[in-house]
Amino acid sequence: QVQLVESGGGVVQPGRSLRLSCAASGFTFSSYGMHWVRQAPGKGLEWVAVIWYDGSNKYYADSVKGRFTIFRDNSKNTLSLQMNSLRAEDTAVYYCTRYNSNRFDPWGQGALVTVSS
Amino acid sequence: QSVLTQPPSVSAAPGQKVTISCSGSSSNLENNYVSWYQQLPGTAPKLLIYENNKRPSGIPDRFSGSKSGTSATLGITGLQTGDEADYYCGTWDSSLNVGVFGGGTKLTVL
Repeated sequence: QVQLVESGGGVVQPGRSLRLSCAASGFTFSSYGMHWVRQAPGKGLEWVAVIWYDGSNKYYADSVKGRFTIFRDNSKNTLSLQMNSLRAEDTAVYYCTRYNSNRFDPWGQGALVTVSS
Repeated sequence: QSVLTQPPSVSAAPGQKVTISCSGSSSNLENNYVSWYQQLPGTAPKLLIYENNKRPSGIPDRFSGSKSGTSATLGITGLQTGDEADYYCGTWDSSLNVGVFGGGTKLTVL
């Protein structure tokens, strides 16, 4: 079945870096655009970034632009998010999700990132 | 402040009907499909409606969607206590090249 599994979350100090990964299975990963969406504690969904199916285009939310980088390895069916210069307001559960025919589906189980000293 | 506007909360009794609105702009809702997501407490979002009014397999026909111009609506009939969740609308913003979501609506089944 189609599945997305995030990893790499944890506690990190402000200003430090962290890399999230998302392992995809059950579908042809290289055919789909992929997104990261986050959710701060008790808050709503916030779109973070997208990467085209072939990695040719990437777009970011203003809140992370210049600090986060989305990339993918189609040979390993893996999506990643490199997060630098982390801030307290980046604390959230980060979800990877596939964009398929005008919908975000499915979603991974999420990876919790806590930025705290 | 979310790009798409939803009411913070709605409520209704079991068996009743409820609607959740989602308001956007010409660069997002008006010119792109809307999708809706259900998030039960402590879980990841789940697709409910896509391309304005289509239901994925496994989603009961109690859930429906519509869109007109810069607004969209999710409807839920025959409310059940298991429908208590947060509901989000989402779409793509063609001008900004970003994904956008509503702030979420908490449904309470009284």
